[in-house]
Amino acid sequence: GENVEQHPSTLSVQEGDSAVIKCTYSDSASNYFPWYKQELGKRPQLIIDIRSNVGEKKDQRIAVTLNKTAKHFSLHITETQPEDSAVYFCAASSNRDDKIIFGKGTRLHILP
Amino acid sequence: NAGVMQNPRHLVRRRGQEARLRCSPMKGHSHVYWYRQLPEEGLKFMVYLQKENIIDESGMPKERFSAEFPKEGPSILRIQQVVRGDSAAYFCASCVRSYNEQFFGPGTRLTVL
Repeated sequence: GENVEQHPSTLSVQEGDSAVIKCTYSDSASNYFPWYKQELGKRPQLIIDIRSNVGEKKDQRIAVTLNKTAKHFSLHITETQPEDSAVYFCAASSNRDDKIIFGKGTRLHILP
Repeated sequence: NAGVMQNPRHLVRRRGQEARLRCSPMKGHSHVYWYRQLPEEGLKFMVYLQKENIIDESGMPKERFSAEFPKEGPSILRIQQVVRGDSAAYFCASCVRSYNEQFFGPGTRLTVL
């Protein structure tokens, strides 16, 4: 089955700098890659997703890139702000088995 | 348009008791997923259901755990004879169809004493 690895597990970034979180997946049939943000004690919420027919997608300060050949995808947050502090999860899914497999998460700290 | 609802939000059980967790998907969503999250860990897939059908239960322990999504009413995750290791946050998520954005409920935090 699918296996998603996520790095780093913890990331501290100075406010205003950029943060990058990287994920790899094992199943070449995976073709949907969502990213979720989970604030402390709250539910995960989708922040951006990408499908395998595109290599990059951007939404304001957030961008995701996908390299299908290497089977890895990354989340980029620019001009980080205190409210970006949270746990971020990458995930992968294919329409072969319809379930989303999550990475273990990255705890992002934005330092003042 | 209410989001995904889960109840109870917090549930305390003693070892050996039963825990029953409920999830009402968003209106128009017929796909429900259940996940377990341990402290400081990720979301582990448990089971995927459509109305009246279990599609994939490969992530759910074969003993003590069961799930259903009846034609009417919420999806239920049932844990019989709970043990301390069952303490976790249980999230459900729903979507219009598979391979699309999943909307998460607020979770049920189960504590087994």
